[in-house]
Amino acid sequence: DVKVTQSSRYLVKRTGEKVFLECVQDMDHENMFWYRQDPGLGLRLIYFSYDVKMKEKGDIPEGYSVSREKKERFSLILESASTNQTSMYLCASSLRLAGRTGELFFGEGSRLTVL
Amino acid sequence: GNSVTQMEGPVTLSEEAFLTINCTYTATGYPSLFWYVQYPGEGLQLLLKATKADDKGSNKGFEATYRKETTSFHLEKGSVQVSDSAVYFCALFNNAGNMLTFGGGTRLMVKP
Repeated sequence: DVKVTQSSRYLVKRTGEKVFLECVQDMDHENMFWYRQDPGLGLRLIYFSYDVKMKEKGDIPEGYSVSREKKERFSLILESASTNQTSMYLCASSLRLAGRTGELFFGEGSRLTVL
Repeated sequence: GNSVTQMEGPVTLSEEAFLTINCTYTATGYPSLFWYVQYPGEGLQLLLKATKADDKGSNKGFEATYRKETTSFHLEKGSVQVSDSAVYFCALFNNAGNMLTFGGGTRLMVKP
C-alpha cells in the first residue's frame, strides 16, 4: 500500500515562528501536493511539485513556501506563522499520469494551531 | 475556472436510510469526477470515480453517475451504516489544470 507520512499530527506554534511541515511518500510518486483543509472551504491547494526541485503555486500560496530536494520528501514552510494559518494541512502524492485517474494518496494530516 | 459545489452538511441519517449527497460542477472541457471520503482521524481516500459522461462509478455500495447535461455527480447509497460516518468530498480533474479541484465537503453522521 502507498504510504504518505506527515511528520507531526499536531503542532502548536506562536505568531512569527518559522514552521516546517514534512511529508514523505514511499511509492516513488512523481507528484506531491500540499493542501489546507478548513471547515466549509474544503481542500485548497497551496503548492504542488511534479519533480525534484520543481514547484508550482496552487490557489493559495501566499505566506507559504515549499522544498523538494528528494523525490520522496516534500516540505511546507511557513516563514512567519500567523493566526490565520491555523488549519489542517494535508500532504498528498500521485503518479505523474494521475491526471488520467485523479487518484491522490493522502497523509493523515497535520493540525497546526498558531497562537 | 473550475469549481465544485456540494450540499452543506451535516447530513444526519438513521442506519439503513437512503443517502444522497449532491454535487455539481463547473469546468471547461471534459473533466473526470471523483468522490473522496475522509474517515475520522484519517486522510482522504478515493471512493469512486467516473471519467466520461454517463459513466457510473461504484464502490462499497456507493454509486455516482456522471451527468454532463446537468453537470452533476451526486453520491448515493441505498442503505447507510454507522461506519459510513465520514466527510465526503466531490472533486474534478481537468487536464488543462493538472490538479484536482475539491468541493467544500459534506459531513455524514449515521445514527444506530
